[in-house]
Amino acid sequence: GENVEQHPSTLSVQEGDSAVIKCTYSDSASNYFPWYKQELGKRPQLIIDIRSNVGEKKDQRIAVTLNKTAKHFSLHITETQPEDSAVYFCAASRASTSNTGKLIFGQGTTLQVKP
Amino acid sequence: DTGVSQDPRHKITKRGQNVTFRCDPISEHNRLYWYRQTLGQGPEFLTYFQNEAQLEKSRLLSDRFSAERPKGSFSTLEIQRTEQGDSAMYLCASSTQDNEQFFGPGTRLTVL
Repeated sequence: GENVEQHPSTLSVQEGDSAVIKCTYSDSASNYFPWYKQELGKRPQLIIDIRSNVGEKKDQRIAVTLNKTAKHFSLHITETQPEDSAVYFCAASRASTSNTGKLIFGQGTTLQVKP
Repeated sequence: DTGVSQDPRHKITKRGQNVTFRCDPISEHNRLYWYRQTLGQGPEFLTYFQNEAQLEKSRLLSDRFSAERPKGSFSTLEIQRTEQGDSAMYLCASSTQDNEQFFGPGTRLTVL
């Protein structure tokens, strides 16, 4: 069945360092890969996404890479700040007019940025 | 606030009672999703609406669960004869055809 594996489950970095979170997916028909940030007690917030027709996307300190052959995608956060501390979820879906677009989520990574 | 809204934010109920949650999506979004999230886990898909049509239901959605989106705008999720295992955060999300899903704040259900 559809599955998304996410690693690591916890990640602690010093402020200013980089953080990398990795996900693998099982459904080869997946073509849309969003990343969500969830602070304690808050809603998941879409921070960046990538579609299967590109290999990399960057937005300021955040970047996402996609390797379709290996079915891997990764989130890269540079120059981390304490406010980056949160739980990060990757997800995969089949996004098209003929599919539901339901998101299959990874298990989450708790990122702690130490000042 | 033009984002996704959900009501109530918290619900405490006794086992065996029925509960109903409401979701108001972003107004121009025709796609609406319900997910369930338990502590320490990622959200799990429950059901999907395109406009007023319910097009997919997860196997997680037992026959005690029913969802509606009668006019293609707001949606309701009802749980009948609640069980302690139903305790979770119920999240609603909406999107256009591009599938960028925006989540509501969730309804936290506690079944005693």
